[in-house]
Amino acid sequence: GAVVSQHPSRVICKSGTSVKIECRSLDFQATTMFWYRQFPKQSLMLMATSNEGSKATYEQGVEKDKFLINHASLTLSTLTVTSAHPEDSSFYICSARDLAGYQETQYFGPGTRLLVL
Amino acid sequence: SQQGEEDPQALSIQEGENATMNCSYKTSINNLQWYRQNSGRGLVHLILIRSNEREKHSGRLRVTLDTSKKSSSLLITASRAADTASYFCATENYGQNFVFGPGTRLSVLP
Repeated sequence: GAVVSQHPSRVICKSGTSVKIECRSLDFQATTMFWYRQFPKQSLMLMATSNEGSKATYEQGVEKDKFLINHASLTLSTLTVTSAHPEDSSFYICSARDLAGYQETQYFGPGTRLLVL
Repeated sequence: SQQGEEDPQALSIQEGENATMNCSYKTSINNLQWYRQNSGRGLVHLILIRSNEREKHSGRLRVTLDTSKKSSSLLITASRAADTASYFCATENYGQNFVFGPGTRLSVLP
């Protein structure tokens, strides 16, 4: 089946620093990837839609200058949390649609747990 | 915005029993999907049901969809301890993104 990886799986950083999270589709190409945020015991909230070769589309209330998204290839999207603060601590999950396959299904990565001290 | 609403929010059953989780939504949908999430992990796709379908099966899973009531149910039969996880429904409207419900936390006790 389709596999999506994320790196790193968990990261601890100091307040004010920037953190980059990678999302890769390992065995398929994805023109569209999605970034979600999940707080403990809560559901996933879509942050932005990442389109290969174009600007990301951000959901209402998500600061595009704080959460930088780059979708440079059909298999890689990155989310950079800039000037991270403790309130940015969360579980970040990406997903991808298979360009050639079953378009209705999103394949999810294992998530990245970010802790900002 | 969050569209799906799962019910119950938490469910605790004995191994071997059946578990039923419900999901309600507010707008028209193209399809509804159920996902499982083990604690601190990513989501695993379980089953997709389209708006013109009423019931689908996959192994021990049975999903129903009632578009007139804007609701869906996920039934897990003969539950196992390994089924312990959070279960989310996600709805997709034509050309729009997924909207996840708040999830049901299922605990299957051995």
